[in-house]
Amino acid sequence: EDKVVQSPLSLVVHEGDTVTLNCSYEVTNFRSLLWYKQEKKAPTFLFMLTSSGIEKKSGRLSSILDKKELFSILNITATQTGDSAVYLCAPGSGSARQLTFGSGTQLTVLP
Amino acid sequence: SAVISQKPSRDICQRGTSLTIQCQVDSQVTMMFWYRQQPGQSLTLIATANQGSEATYESGFVIDKFPISRPNLTFSTLTVSNMSPEDSSIYLCSVEVQGSIPYEQYFGPGTRLTVT
Repeated sequence: EDKVVQSPLSLVVHEGDTVTLNCSYEVTNFRSLLWYKQEKKAPTFLFMLTSSGIEKKSGRLSSILDKKELFSILNITATQTGDSAVYLCAPGSGSARQLTFGSGTQLTVLP
Repeated sequence: SAVISQKPSRDICQRGTSLTIQCQVDSQVTMMFWYRQQPGQSLTLIATANQGSEATYESGFVIDKFPISRPNLTFSTLTVSNMSPEDSSIYLCSVEVQGSIPYEQYFGPGTRLTVT
C-alpha cells in the first residue's frame, strides 16, 4: 500500500523565519511528486518534481527530491503571514497517474 | 494550467437526498479525477472519470453511492447519493494538464457539502 508521511504536522513561526517541510513516501512505480498549498478549499499547485537533486524555485519557495532516500523537502524563506496554509505533498505513481496525498503540514506564520 | 469551475460551491442537504456536483474545464483534458476531503483529513481519491466509459473507482467507493458522468473532455459530474452526515466533506475535481510528461494536476475550487 502506498504511504506518504509529512512532518511536522504543524508548525508556528514568526514572519521572516525560514521553514523546512518534509515529505517521505513509499509508492509503487513512482512517477513524480507534487507539492500543493491549501488555504481554504482548493489545493493550489506549487511544484512537480521528477528528478533527484534538481531544485525547483518559485520566489521564496523551493523544493528538492531525493529518489534514493524517498523524500522531498519544501523550503520557504522569509515567511509572510500569507504563507499560512496547509502544505500537501502528493507522490504520483503508476500508469493511472493517480496521486496519494499526505496528511499535510499546517503552517501558521505570526506577524 | 487550466481554469476549472465547480458548482455548487457549497450546499447544505438533508440526509437521504442526493446532490450532483458539476466540474467544468476551459480546455479539453484527458484525465479528470474526483477527490473527497473529510473534515480535518487529507484528500482521498474517489474515482477517475473516464470519457466515454465507466469511471474507475478506488477501494471503498462504489458507483451506486458516487455515480460519475463524463460526457465529453471538458465536463464531469459527481453525484453523492442517499446522503448521510458522514458524507459531509469538501469534494474536489482535478484535471491533468498536458504540458510535459508526467503531467501536472490542478484542482477546482471545491464544493463544501454539509449533510444534516
